[in-house]
Amino acid sequence: DTAVSQTPKYLVTQMGNDKSIKCEQNLGHDTMYWYKQDSKKFLKIMFSYNNKELIINETVPNRFSPKSPDKAHLNLHINSLELGDSAVYFCASSQEPRILFGSYNEQFFGPGTRLTVL
Amino acid sequence: DQQVKQNSPSLSVQEGRISILNCDYTNSMFDYFLWYKKYPAEGPTFLISISSIKDKNEDGRFTVFLNKSAKHLSLHIVPSQPGDSAVYFCAATVRSGGSNYKLTFGKGTLLTVNP
Repeated sequence: DTAVSQTPKYLVTQMGNDKSIKCEQNLGHDTMYWYKQDSKKFLKIMFSYNNKELIINETVPNRFSPKSPDKAHLNLHINSLELGDSAVYFCASSQEPRILFGSYNEQFFGPGTRLTVL
Repeated sequence: DQQVKQNSPSLSVQEGRISILNCDYTNSMFDYFLWYKKYPAEGPTFLISISSIKDKNEDGRFTVFLNKSAKHLSLHIVPSQPGDSAVYFCAATVRSGGSNYKLTFGKGTLLTVNP
């Protein structure tokens, strides 16, 4: 019973195309995230949504547009794909975006989507 | 700007011995420090955390030590098991707009536990 799922697992496409990656969580969490792990293995946050509202938006090109139709879904749409977009993209979720009562709200990660732009 | 650094890309230990994974950071505003474990073709999974006001947290075979003056933390695994072989990411939380926070990750250390 997958907690955070992503589709597709692999995505190979040509430069200039538009593509989407879907993410769904069945944990009842309020907050969802997108991370990018580049070729240097750095895992960096891109966006965070809480209750369908954008709360964190790092320095990400406008070609990347997250969409949250409901709390359980956070999809990532990428326009005009470039070679540098090739990476593994991870979706994650947590109960809250804040640290409450001195406790860290664990983030649960999906299995990742490996995007290759040719 | 690499705020969380894991300077050892890999570590190899014998089964039953201690594994020590190290992490250094530069941002004194970090609230929490965490370790995530990642197997190939899977997403990272949370392992253990420590608040910035503590210096040690233990959970079974895993212990995290925090030295704030040195801006250094380490993860000890005792005894190490072959199933512990994975990439270990050090991460830290920092405020990002109001009361929200975000995770900043290191590059990871590949731990190999040999039988």
